[in-house]
Amino acid sequence: DGGITQSPKYLFRKEGQNVTLSCEQNLNHDAMYWYRQDPGQGLRLIYYSQIVNDFQKGDIAEGYSVSREKKESFPLTVTSAQKNPTAFYLCASCYRDRGHSSYNEQFFGPGTRLTVL
Amino acid sequence: GQNIDQPTEMTATEGAIVQINCTYQTSGFNGLFWYQQHAGEAPTFLSYNVLDGLEEKGRFSSFLSRSKGYSYLLLKELQMKDSASYLCAVRDQGDYKLSFGAGTTVTVRA
Repeated sequence: DGGITQSPKYLFRKEGQNVTLSCEQNLNHDAMYWYRQDPGQGLRLIYYSQIVNDFQKGDIAEGYSVSREKKESFPLTVTSAQKNPTAFYLCASCYRDRGHSSYNEQFFGPGTRLTVL
Repeated sequence: GQNIDQPTEMTATEGAIVQINCTYQTSGFNGLFWYQQHAGEAPTFLSYNVLDGLEEKGRFSSFLSRSKGYSYLLLKELQMKDSASYLCAVRDQGDYKLSFGAGTTVTVRA
């Protein structure tokens, strides 16, 4: 039963605290992504990783950090430097290139809703 | 970078047809995706276009014109469960990043 899991579903944090969001996939996907979604806005890319032990900043990386020590896992840490961390966080993964027979579409996890109190 | 525009909201009647337009300006193009997202849930993949023309999948169809930077998603025989947000996303060449539009909220009324 393959898929992407994110935990926890809801997370509350006090200002000034770092928090780590989990993302695990057993789809054998090469690439993994973290997005942030705010009300009325599209998904904005925070960080992405195309292979193990390598990752790149997305459009809104400030105040976030990631690691990719295993192919299956891509945790996101929201640091106290992130000014407005309250949001819905989505993790996604996909194959890098499966040829013309595949769309290489991104599959999404169920998301984590982070609220800073 | 990518600039992707789609209408904010659309309303239609059950059984009707709705067309959601998406225009984009890109520095590179390697395909356009449509996703459906119900409130509070993850986006799910609907369709993919990389060549010009129409792709049909059951009640959903998607069209692409690369020269015009334009796509649309056509939803036929609307059902109440189709009430959701529909996201247009363009993929960059080379690094497989997706850039998303803000989404179009479709409300289906009885």
